[in-house]
Amino acid sequence: GQQVMQIPQYQHVQEGEDFTTYCNSSTTLSNIQWYKQRPGGHPVFLIQLVKSGEVKKQKRLTFQFGEAKKNSSLHITATQTTDVGTYFCAANSGNTPLVFGKGTRLSVIA
Amino acid sequence: EAQVTQNPRYLITVTGKKLTVTCSQNMNHEYMSWYRQDPGLGLRQIYYSMNVEVTDKGDVPEGYKVSRKEKRNFPLILESPSPNQTSLYFCASSLWHSNSPLHFGNGTRLTVT
Repeated sequence: GQQVMQIPQYQHVQEGEDFTTYCNSSTTLSNIQWYKQRPGGHPVFLIQLVKSGEVKKQKRLTFQFGEAKKNSSLHITATQTTDVGTYFCAANSGNTPLVFGKGTRLSVIA
Repeated sequence: EAQVTQNPRYLITVTGKKLTVTCSQNMNHEYMSWYRQDPGLGLRQIYYSMNVEVTDKGDVPEGYKVSRKEKRNFPLILESPSPNQTSLYFCASSLWHSNSPLHFGNGTRLTVT
């Protein structure tokens, strides 16, 4: 079945540093979604990307969808302790169910 | 308030004792799905349903059953739980299949001894 590879698995940063997580697929994707899961919580939807080369911003978060629609990234500028959690990408091709990446756990050291 | 409600939040049981985890959504969503979350493995789909009376296997369906008799409810049934089903389970729903955002319940932490 379809697989979505997400790297890195863990990232420790000092508060104020930037953070990026990447998702890659060997197949062309229809859409990619990003979720955040706080420690002890449930995944919460952040954004959806559907167009080739699409870039969306939410305050300090920047989401990109690759030109070939096979990869995506989430970049956080100047991390804060409130950014702590695990970030998941989820993607599909056509009408197949969403497949989740394994997530990137972000720790922010104050 | 729009939400997905799972019960119970925590459950400890013994091998072989049938159990049901309930999931209900109040958003009139067509699509519902169950996931299990294990350390290092992310979220893996167990079963999903695109509409009432329509269910399909996900990536890890063995040992689980589901039903979708009503639009709002999607219970997860473990007929004979085993220790390898110890996990954190999430129910989720979305307006349409795959291409709309998923709304997750708060999770059920299951321990099978």
